[in-house]
Amino acid sequence: DSGVTQTPKHLITATGQRVTLRCSPRSGDLSVYWYQQSLDQGLQFLIQYYNGEERAKGNILERFSAQQFPDLHSELNLSSLELGDSALYFCASSVVHPGGELFFGEGSRLTVL
Amino acid sequence: GIQVEQSPPDLILQEGANSTLRCNFSDSVNNLQWFHQNPWGQLINLFYIPSGTKQNGRLSATTVATERYSLLYISSSQTTDSGVYFCAVEDTGFQKLVFGTGTRLLVSP
Repeated sequence: DSGVTQTPKHLITATGQRVTLRCSPRSGDLSVYWYQQSLDQGLQFLIQYYNGEERAKGNILERFSAQQFPDLHSELNLSSLELGDSALYFCASSVVHPGGELFFGEGSRLTVL
Repeated sequence: GIQVEQSPPDLILQEGANSTLRCNFSDSVNNLQWFHQNPWGQLINLFYIPSGTKQNGRLSATTVATERYSLLYISSSQTTDSGVYFCAVEDTGFQKLVFGTGTRLLVSP
């Protein structure tokens, strides 16, 4: 158990819908990261927050947004879902950034039908 | 951005065999980690090793930062070692952890 909690673990929805994925970092970790793992793309960095502020952005689509709340949990919002958004979405956290060791949650598996 | 290459892409071993997985990266790094993704999709931390050598049971890792590579050694492999092994590096410029494409390991009994 990494100490990073992600909900839901599985989610099935239809094209055009909107979903929210939630992440609670390890106790004491200030940085939260979101990654997408799809079959043909490997693990892709989406976005990173440190103590509530956005610090780095990857290839995150405009239909996707995220935030980190004062209690340090984070949410990733995915809207106007397409079939290609089906993937495993991971959250990770670390104490420090840059250079900190990342610990990953178990992921949220999203299936868009 | 930084490039991360892992080799071999696929590896099949008999139980009890040893193996070496390699990770090459193209630039200076703040952080290098090895992960094991098990068949259920979980990403398990193996090593945080921006430089030097570490050992944990049957696994060990060495990173030579000046030559931009890292090695993961698996000794006396077991079927539970099967899965995908990822190397991930954090480049000093963009400060994000970039994953390699992984080495898929299958250990047969």
